Amino acid sequence: GAVVSQHPSWVICKSGTSVKIECRSLDFQATTMFWYRQFPKQSLMLMATSNEGSKATYEQGVEKDKFLINHASLTLSTLTVTSAHPEDSSFYICSASLPLLSSNIQYFGAGTRLSVL
Amino acid sequence: GESVGLHLPTLSVQEGDNSIINCAYSNSASDYFIWYKQESGKGPQFIIDIRSNMDKRQGQRVTVLLNKTVKHLSLQIAATQPGDSAVYFCAENVGGSNYKLTFGKGTLLTVNP
Repeated sequence: GAVVSQHPSWVICKSGTSVKIECRSLDFQATTMFWYRQFPKQSLMLMATSNEGSKATYEQGVEKDKFLINHASLTLSTLTVTSAHPEDSSFYICSASLPLLSSNIQYFGAGTRLSVL
Repeated sequence: GESVGLHLPTLSVQEGDNSIINCAYSNSASDYFIWYKQESGKGPQFIIDIRSNMDKRQGQRVTVLLNKTVKHLSLQIAATQPGDSAVYFCAENVGGSNYKLTFGKGTLLTVNP
């Protein structure tokens, strides 16, 4: 299957600082990437859809000025959590879409655990 | 059995038994479905997918069944192994140019040796 790399896997930061998370598709070009947030023992919640060369599409209730998404190339999307606060602590996961004729499989990164002190 | 609130539904099986994980989906327009496996602290891993024009698809030790009449999806794992212990999510897609997936709440599978 396709490989998606996410970095860092774990980050601790002070309240008020910004954190950048990278998502790379290693062996395919992804015109579309997705960013999810997951709380313990809960499902994945889609935050935004990242399209190469255009603005991201945010889900209802997700602050676009707080969660900045950039998709500058076909293999890299970044999520920046700006002015992070303890309530932003969560598991953030990216995925890249490999649309084929018969499927829209999303391949996921390993996730980033963010802890804001 | 199922739980309410923030607790994941759980399924506990003995090693070697077959497991059946169920999922009810809500959007009758969904035409593509995927099962993912998520181990603790990791991202979801693709297991198997199925299109709405099929009602059954088999992979290695796994079978997905789709019943569009009652909007129900199931994942069957044959000869369950301890390495199968994880949370399993079904996800649905409405197709077309919309590549978004909507995830179910997940089921925690525990395999007892």
